[in-house]
Order: sequence, then C-alpha cells, then structure tokens
Amino acid sequence: NAGVMQNPRHLVRRRGQEARLRCSPMKGHSHVYWYRQLPEEGLKFMVYLQKENIIDESGMPKERFSAEFPKEGPSILRIQQVVRGDSAAYFCASSPVARGLSDEQFFGPGTRLTVL
Amino acid sequence: DQQVKQNSPSLSVQEGRISILNCDYTNSMFDYFLWYKKYPAEGPTFLISISSIKDKNEDGRFTVFLNKSAKHLSLHIVPSQPGDSAVYFCAASAHGNQFYFGTGTSLTVIP
Repeated sequence: NAGVMQNPRHLVRRRGQEARLRCSPMKGHSHVYWYRQLPEEGLKFMVYLQKENIIDESGMPKERFSAEFPKEGPSILRIQQVVRGDSAAYFCASSPVARGLSDEQFFGPGTRLTVL
Repeated sequence: DQQVKQNSPSLSVQEGRISILNCDYTNSMFDYFLWYKKYPAEGPTFLISISSIKDKNEDGRFTVFLNKSAKHLSLHIVPSQPGDSAVYFCAASAHGNQFYFGTGTSLTVIP
C-alpha cells in the first residue's frame, strides 16, 4: 500500500516561472492538505481539498497560488511567477475521512522548491 | 503569529534515558494535539495524539502530557533509542479545523 507520493522531490525554478507540485494521496484517501515549511519554521497549512472541491484555503497566499484536486489524477499545487520567497519545502498530506473526523494526516516526502 | 511554539530547537539525550520535548500554545480553543516525527528527506509521521478531555495518553515508550491551564504539552520518550533521533513537531487544532504546527525540536539520542 503505497504512501502519499509527491513529485518532483526537488524543483528548481527561476524567478517569474511557474511551479507545479503534484501529490497523489494514499489509496482510498479523498482528502488532501498542502503545507509549506519555510526555513527555520514549522509547517504552515495552506489548503484543504476534497475531490473537485476546495474546502478551506485560508492559508493560501491571495495571489499566484492555486490548488486543485480533480476527479481523476493527483492534486496540484500551482505557483505562478515564483519569487525567491517561495523557496520552501511543500508537503502534501492525505486522510481517509474529513478533517475533524480523522486522528491523523499521512504526509508525503515533500517537494523542495528552490527559486533562483 | 505562532500559535504553537517549541522553544527548544534541539535536545541531546543519552541512550536509555528519558527525552522530554515541550510545546506551548496560545489558543485556548485548541482541543486536539498531536506529535509528529520527521526524519531528513521524509515527510512527518504521526506519533501520538491527545484530546483536551484527557491529560495523558500513553503508547509504548511514548507518553504525551497535556496541561490545559498552562497551555503546555510535552512528549516523553523512555527509554530513548538512537532510532528516535529525528525532528519532532507538535501540532494543535480547534474543532477539527486546520493543524497549527510548532517549529520543531531536533532530538539526538547518543548511543
């Protein structure tokens, strides 16, 4: 039973380019969460999605960031026109039931984004 | 604003001794607390949790203590083993909403 998968593991972009981060949840999980970990900081919640729905995006920056979790395929976190401050580790987590009903979230290995 | 704080960035403990990792929070609405463990180049892994209706939860070598009046929780690992060396994050949530994570404590268990 494969865990949460994220790709790429490492992504390098130049300022102004777009970054696309993918997350495949654990089998049977339909709830996905994205977190960002800046250097020397803890994980910060960004967005919570179910299939085809954004449930809570209160942690998402208002501009340049978007997320989706289509009916088929992985969840995508998209960052347009990246800036140096976007350099961070981005973690995806999944759970089998809705947030608040599940004890835990299962995390992927993360994507480390470096913006040159 | 950091609602969950881990004030010790690092901790070293001798193998076999007790490791105590601390976490403080500011939001009195938090009612669920978790500890995650993270190895380098991996995602965090759930370790143990506690609901605010309890003050202690134990799972093998790991025990989490919650002091609501002090808004403080701690993770005790006894006996500590070299494989416990990792970064430990505490997290909290209120009424099933988003998790707030601390900045982590890097534990090194010395053989």
